[in-house]
Amino acid sequence: DAGVIQSPRHEVTEMGQEVTLRCKPISGHDYLFWYRQTMMRGLELLIYFNNNVPIDDSGMPEDRFSAKMPNASFSTLKIQPSEPRDSAVYFCASSWVSGGRGETTEAFFGQGTRLTVV
Amino acid sequence: SQQGEEDPQALSIQEGENATMNCSYKTSINNLQWYRQNSGRGLVHLILIRSNEREKHSGRLRVTLDTSKKSSSLLITASRAADTASYFCATLYSSASKIIFGSGTRLSIRP
Repeated sequence: DAGVIQSPRHEVTEMGQEVTLRCKPISGHDYLFWYRQTMMRGLELLIYFNNNVPIDDSGMPEDRFSAKMPNASFSTLKIQPSEPRDSAVYFCASSWVSGGRGETTEAFFGQGTRLTVV
Repeated sequence: SQQGEEDPQALSIQEGENATMNCSYKTSINNLQWYRQNSGRGLVHLILIRSNEREKHSGRLRVTLDTSKKSSSLLITASRAADTASYFCATLYSSASKIIFGSGTRLSIRP
């Protein structure tokens, strides 16, 4: 498996524009996480899915942010409209459930999308 | 951070010395994990310790967990220049399946 794949790697956009970040998790993983990393706030969990269903979106900062997972191999994080304070590195990660314990194990991260909103 | 804090925030040591990083968290957990992040890259999983374990080893890494104090430590022995990176602890809540990260420790190894 090629690991978690995110696209694009870099995105520069103007304030007010719509931005869509994409993620392909590792095949067979049950969980998908979206994180945002900034110097000020560190690594924040935005939302996570289990078997394509959103479980907890309490970390999504505003209604301008939305995430979908239409199938097990694809997820998107959309920001509309974008603002300069959304500039950050956005990571997608996937994980699976340890059968014996029923708990998620290690998370595998993509290389991230560096978003700059000017 | 959403779950806990790490200290120190930054650590600089000489190559060959041992590095110790600490992590504290707030709520009951199922497991605690440590990750490394090289500059400009994604996070890489290092080691996982379950809530019923007290110590775990993997190569030059030693992790301890004290659930009564809600704290963990990561020890890297015989440090190398390639160990220069940021290190994060992450906790898996008992009540949910989300993985929450601490604030991280920036480790610099001087040659």
